[in-house]
Amino acid sequence: QVQLQESGPGLVKPSQTLSLTCTVTGGSISSGDYYWSWIRQPPGKGLEWIGYVYFNGVTYYNPSLKSRLTISVDTSRKQFSMNLNSVSAADTAIYYCAREYCSSTNCPAWFDTWGQGTLVTVSS
Amino acid sequence: EIVMTQSPATLSQSPGERATLSCRASQYVSNIVAWYQQKPGQPPRLLIYGASTRATGIPARFSGSGSGTEFTLTISSLQSEDFAVYYCQQYNNWPRTFGQGTRVEIK
Repeated sequence: QVQLQESGPGLVKPSQTLSLTCTVTGGSISSGDYYWSWIRQPPGKGLEWIGYVYFNGVTYYNPSLKSRLTISVDTSRKQFSMNLNSVSAADTAIYYCAREYCSSTNCPAWFDTWGQGTLVTVSS
Repeated sequence: EIVMTQSPATLSQSPGERATLSCRASQYVSNIVAWYQQKPGQPPRLLIYGASTRATGIPARFSGSGSGTEFTLTISSLQSEDFAVYYCQQYNNWPRTFGQGTRVEIK
């Protein structure tokens, strides 16, 4: 059974770069059936999709974050990562990595597996 | 961007009762909607995809319906473990968007 685990600093200073990595275990990151996404949730609030990366490096970002965001994949390490620069307090959130399934009619489609999430606080 | 609006924000129900949660999309999304359950301190868990198909391992008391812009998640008989927050999500358009959530609490 595939599992996802986020890692990275829990505290980032304003204007700096937030960097997180998601490690995939129990399955292949190179399967063409899945996309690999980041989603965030400010404390006590709802969910915001950040962006995805495919195993071949193709990415797609939420337009609201696109100018500050980079998502990449390292298939040899079975990891994918995100960098969000010029952060502010508004970027304080629990960051989840998730697997997005590719169905026969929609690709990608729903999020079928999630990491436990990591809280990142932006504060000086 | 498609806005997903969930109602009510909070649903107070007793165990054994039927719960009906609504989700409305600001634009047509066909049946391309998923539902997730989130408990405190946990990530969301996929319940329903394609508006009405239960994910693997999801009990039959959970059912989804709807198409177009109006969607419903029904829990036929609330169990203690069902008290949580529920989110709808559309994957018909980019960016993917979620509703703001409905909290199902014990009355």
